[in-house]
Order: sequence, then structure tokens, then C-alpha cells
Amino acid sequence: QKEVEQDPGPLSVPEGAIVSLNCTYSNSAFQYFMWYRQYSRKGPELLMYTYSSGNKEDGRFTAQVDKSSKYISLFIRDSQPSDSATYLCAMTTFSGNTPLVFGKGTRLSVIA
Amino acid sequence: EPEVTQTPSHQVTQMGQEVILRCVPISNHLYFYWYRQILGQKVEFLVSFYNNEISEKSEIFDDQFSVERPDGSNFTLKIRSTKLEDSAMYFCASSNRQGRAGELFFGEGSRLTVL
Repeated sequence: QKEVEQDPGPLSVPEGAIVSLNCTYSNSAFQYFMWYRQYSRKGPELLMYTYSSGNKEDGRFTAQVDKSSKYISLFIRDSQPSDSATYLCAMTTFSGNTPLVFGKGTRLSVIA
Repeated sequence: EPEVTQTPSHQVTQMGQEVILRCVPISNHLYFYWYRQILGQKVEFLVSFYNNEISEKSEIFDDQFSVERPDGSNFTLKIRSTKLEDSAMYFCASSNRQGRAGELFFGEGSRLTVL
């Protein structure tokens, strides 16, 4: 079983739609969960950050973590064409210098 | 806003040649990383570096790879004898000890093409 699984898409939605992106993972030691956004030919940029289980909201973005199911989600409300990018989930075990483990990324296109 | 800068943005090399990719991390950051992303694949960890030594490395980071912090600002990745399968986007990242775990700041990447 792969450590972090993410549907690569592509996912195409109309402007204004609610987008749901998801990842599953197998390592129960993961405690820190992130969503990075990557525009074409650019480096990943941290979008959302969550520790352990629960929800976190930031503007149009909501991150959810369900550690019991080993499942994390990112919701984008009122999606905009500028949200078109690849969204990477990433996670790590504990604070310090431990490496991030990334999902493969989901490519999202928001059509005006 | 401080950022991680990487050079070159794109390098084309012949198989068997040595390549050095350069990075200038954010100035007050203490942890440095190299990740790579083969086209269409996930971002993969290569190596982390702290206090002038490697703190962790992946299976990918074999004897052909080395990292160095030659001065107070640069962080380099050297590939001694490139192979076709080394073709990828290489991302440098840095983080702050006081920052949140996993909160890495990535550069825009160096695209390496091995012919």
C-alpha cells in the first residue's frame, strides 16, 4: 500500500463550484497535514496546515483531517479560475527535521 | 517577502556529466532540503541538512549525490555522474526551527534534462 494516495485527476469544475480534494494515508504516525498548491512549473506553496484531527478554515479554503479514517480533505468554496493549479497533500510525523511525504497531486481546472 | 532562490532554472547535460544545482535559502532558516519531482510523478524527498551535516536522506540519495553548504548563504546539490533517470525538477526548500513542522518554503525549482 502506498504511503499517501491522492487521485491525480484532472478535475475540471465551473467557476463558483465547491471543490473537494482528498488524500488517504497508511502511516498512523502522521500528525501534521498540509496542502500545498503548485502552479505549472513553479515550486509548491503552502496553502493550509493542520495538526492532528479537526477542521481549519482560511477564507474560501477548509482543511479537514480524520485520523481515525486516515483521510484528509481540502474544500474550496466559490472556486475561481485563479485556483487552477495542482494541489498536493503532504504530511509528516512529528516536529523537527522529518521529511514531508507528498501525494501525487490533483490537477484542478476552474473554467470561467 | 523573503524567498528561496534556485539556479539554474533549466540545465541540459549529457549522461555521465557532473551537475551542480544551487540554492539560496531564506536567510534566517536553519533546515535545508532537496526534493525532486519527475514529470508526472510525486514530489520526493532526497535529503535534509542541518548544522552543516546531512540529517536524513532517502534511498534515492545514493553515492552519486552530495550536498554542501560552501558558505553562509548557498546550499548546493551535486550529481556526480548523471543518468537519464535523473531528469526531473529539483526543488530546494528551507524551514525555520521556530516554524511549524512541515512548513517548508520551496524555490521555483531547477529543471534538469539528461540526454
